[in-house]
Amino acid sequence: AQSVTQPDIHITVSEGASLELRCNYSYGATPYLFWYVQSPGQGLQLLLKYFSGDTLVQGIKGFEAEFKRSQSSFNLRKPSVHWSDAAEYFCAVGLYNFNKFYFGSGTKLNVKP
Amino acid sequence: GAGVSQSPRYKVAKRGQDVALRCDPISGHVSLFWYQQALGQGPEFLTYFQNEAQLDKSGLPSDRFFAERPEGSVSTLKIQRTQQEDSAVYLCASSLGGQPGRETQYFGPGTRLLVL
Repeated sequence: AQSVTQPDIHITVSEGASLELRCNYSYGATPYLFWYVQSPGQGLQLLLKYFSGDTLVQGIKGFEAEFKRSQSSFNLRKPSVHWSDAAEYFCAVGLYNFNKFYFGSGTKLNVKP
Repeated sequence: GAGVSQSPRYKVAKRGQDVALRCDPISGHVSLFWYQQALGQGPEFLTYFQNEAQLDKSGLPSDRFFAERPEGSVSTLKIQRTQQEDSAVYLCASSLGGQPGRETQYFGPGTRLLVL
């Protein structure tokens, strides 16, 4: 079945530590890939996106993500987490000529002081 | 410029009541989307408009859900005879209307609906 999987429901990291949030997808064609962040009471804010070309993409707030076709993955990374990064993160997939996005179930990030 | 706005931000309804949720997209955005986000879940697609035309309503869960965008800008999502399972956050998103699937969608803050 076609799906977007974020295997980690909750992750806790210490401030200043590195972060990696996982996202896997199962769609036939290479999808368009997005990471969004949602803070409490806020809408989804785009962090970064991948369409083609360089498989390592840079986003806002110091985030980056790497597309690995062989693993059907698009993991989000940050070298040093700040307390303000505490939020919920969603991976989303867009497909060619399909308008809707397909979202994973999200990973909630807690940051310890 | 202003982002996507939604109103009301919170809505409490008694089971069986009708509700109307409003979305103001970013000015000039051709495409408009509605998503439903249940507690602890990612957003799920409900429906899509290109200007005033509703091109995809495959995600609407029942015929109690109805959406419109009569002048190609503001959109309203209406839920008739609300049920407890309709409790969720309803997100609206808009995009410029470029190539489907790869166009960034900009999201509003959502309307949190609680049906008692």
